[in-house]
Amino acid sequence: QKEVEQDPGPLSVPEGAIVSLNCTYSNSAFQYFMWYRQYSRKGPELLMYTYSSGNKEDGRFTAQVDKSSKYISLFIRDSQPSDSATYLCAMSPRAAGNKLTFGGGTRVLVKP
Amino acid sequence: DAGVTQSPTHLIKTRGQQVTLRCSPKSGHDTVSWYQQALGQGPQFIFQYYEEEERQRGNFPDRFSGHQFPNYSSELNVNALLLGDSALYLCASSFYTGLAGPTDTQYFGPGTRLTVL
Repeated sequence: QKEVEQDPGPLSVPEGAIVSLNCTYSNSAFQYFMWYRQYSRKGPELLMYTYSSGNKEDGRFTAQVDKSSKYISLFIRDSQPSDSATYLCAMSPRAAGNKLTFGGGTRVLVKP
Repeated sequence: DAGVTQSPTHLIKTRGQQVTLRCSPKSGHDTVSWYQQALGQGPQFIFQYYEEEERQRGNFPDRFSGHQFPNYSSELNVNALLLGDSALYLCASSFYTGLAGPTDTQYFGPGTRLTVL
């Protein structure tokens, strides 16, 4: 069993819809949680960073962490075709600058 | 502000050969991590360099080695290439503060796509 599980998708939504992504994990030592966006044949781009449990909002993006359930989520409001990409969750037990453990990524397609 | 840069962009090698990939960190960053991303998978941590020393290592064989130079740039070397080494190799840089926080997060380069035939 992988330490971090993520549905590979693809997840197809119409433009303007809310995109809901999530990851589950097994290592209770994870405390730092990140979401990266990766366009085809490009490197991952950091979207959101959260520490421990709670919510964080940044523009159209909201990240949620529920450590008791070992479950994290990313919501994208008012989705745009430019949001079409693969979304990767990543986690670290100590600090975000240390070894990151990634999920397999969810491919998202936003249709105009 | 220059981000993380990697070279070359693409590389084709044959089994048994050796390869060297290069990375220049984002301006102001002093820590470099390397990841391997197979097609359709998430990145897997290879190792991390700080102050020219390997600080952390993932579950990769000794065929994978690295180096960090005084200017913080880094190289990843892979010996005795196998078909399974075909992947996108990502370099990520960060600034070590000793404290947890957003400034400690990792920023990725565009990657080097290695194909082993």
